[in-house]
Amino acid sequence: GQSLEQPSEVTAVEGAIVQINCTYQTSGFYGLSWYQQHDGGAPTFLSYNALDGLEETGRFSSFLSRSDSYGYLLLQELQMKDSASYFCAVDTGRRALTFGSGTRLQVQP
Amino acid sequence: NAGVTQTPKFRVLKTGQSMTLLCAQDMNHEYMYWYRQDPGMGLRLIHYSVGEGTTAKGEVPDGYNVSRLKKQNFLLGLESAAPSQTSVYFCASSPQTSGSYEQYFGPGTRLTVT
Repeated sequence: GQSLEQPSEVTAVEGAIVQINCTYQTSGFYGLSWYQQHDGGAPTFLSYNALDGLEETGRFSSFLSRSDSYGYLLLQELQMKDSASYFCAVDTGRRALTFGSGTRLQVQP
Repeated sequence: NAGVTQTPKFRVLKTGQSMTLLCAQDMNHEYMYWYRQDPGMGLRLIHYSVGEGTTAKGEVPDGYNVSRLKKQNFLLGLESAAPSQTSVYFCASSPQTSGSYEQYFGPGTRLTVT
């Protein structure tokens, strides 16, 4: 079977750093993606890790350890607009994604 | 570019009725996908296509059919709607290009089956 585990909720204050972890167990693995979704909106792409290590894109970074079936999303210098749900998703081939249940991030002033 | 568009945006069906959801993309992407998202949950893959004339089953394909007659369009059909199919349906597309991993999502279709 396929399963992805991530925390259901995280709360942090503006300017802080938050890490959202994701562990996965899937029958196929080509890479780990992260998506952001605001309430009522569509998911938007944040990052993709195919290889072990850290990928940095502005305030957001994503890490992957294939041997540990583990990854995380790191958000720095949090802003109010970062309040959203964040999903990890495993690419099981042909970019077909299996999503986790999502982590709701609430940024407080 | 409009990106990925979905028609309709909202729909209410009665149990047993049929309908087709249309997804269109103008980015010349090879890969297209249909997902459903239930409240407070992640997205689940229904069907996908890796090119014109091809389709494949995803995680939750039962009760749905798809067709990709043209590269830019991907249709999702519900032959006999059930209340369990009440959900938000998202279409997405992705290029086949190596190194391009982003999926581009449409705005979603909110379907209620009574």
